[in-house]
Amino acid sequence: AQSVAQPEDQVNVAEGNPLTVKCTYSVSGNPYLFWYVQYPNRGLQFLLKYITGDNLVKGSYGFEAEFNKSQTSFHLKKPSALVSDSALYFCAVRDRGRSSNTGKLIFGQGTTLQVKP
Amino acid sequence: EAGVAQSPRYKIIEKRQSVAFWCNPISGHATLYWYQQILGQGPKLLIQFQNNGVVDDSQLPKDRFSAERLKGVDSTLKIQPAKLEDSAVYLCASSSASGAAYNEQFFGPGTRLTVL
Repeated sequence: AQSVAQPEDQVNVAEGNPLTVKCTYSVSGNPYLFWYVQYPNRGLQFLLKYITGDNLVKGSYGFEAEFNKSQTSFHLKKPSALVSDSALYFCAVRDRGRSSNTGKLIFGQGTTLQVKP
Repeated sequence: EAGVAQSPRYKIIEKRQSVAFWCNPISGHATLYWYQQILGQGPKLLIQFQNNGVVDDSQLPKDRFSAERLKGVDSTLKIQPAKLEDSAVYLCASSSASGAAYNEQFFGPGTRLTVL
């Protein structure tokens, strides 16, 4: 069965410092991996995804994520955090082995990022 | 382009009452999803439509939840009767015409349901 783990409920970082939000996954085949961000009282917004190819994926707002197959991880990173990055971040996985229109998108429980001035 | 629209944004009902949520996806998006997001958890898929056909409803509590997508555009999700544990945010999402698994999903603002 597919699963996603975000081991930290909250990550605190000072503005200007690099940030990392961790994600590990488990799928039977090869994964499609996604990061979404959720601001208060709003729906989820897509940040980036890994499909295939380069293990370093660049996304919106300066975020990037590194796919590591041996460690089954897809950590979200940003070189310099902004106060406005403070939000709830979700990692999600979908099994590539499923047919194109089936296979659930499984979300982690979320990590709250708090960036302090 | 306009995003995914949902209504209402908030709903408070008493247990055993019924409630309905509405979603209008991004124009041209053939795939539509309903998720349940309980406080402190990630979204959980309830049902996925491809056009007006159901692709996956394995996690939909069919004794009380129902959903339809007439004409393959907008969709309604209904709960009847509601239980206390149904208190959650109900998110609608859509993805592009192909519905391929690698396509990102676009989410609406959600409906926050409180069951008293």
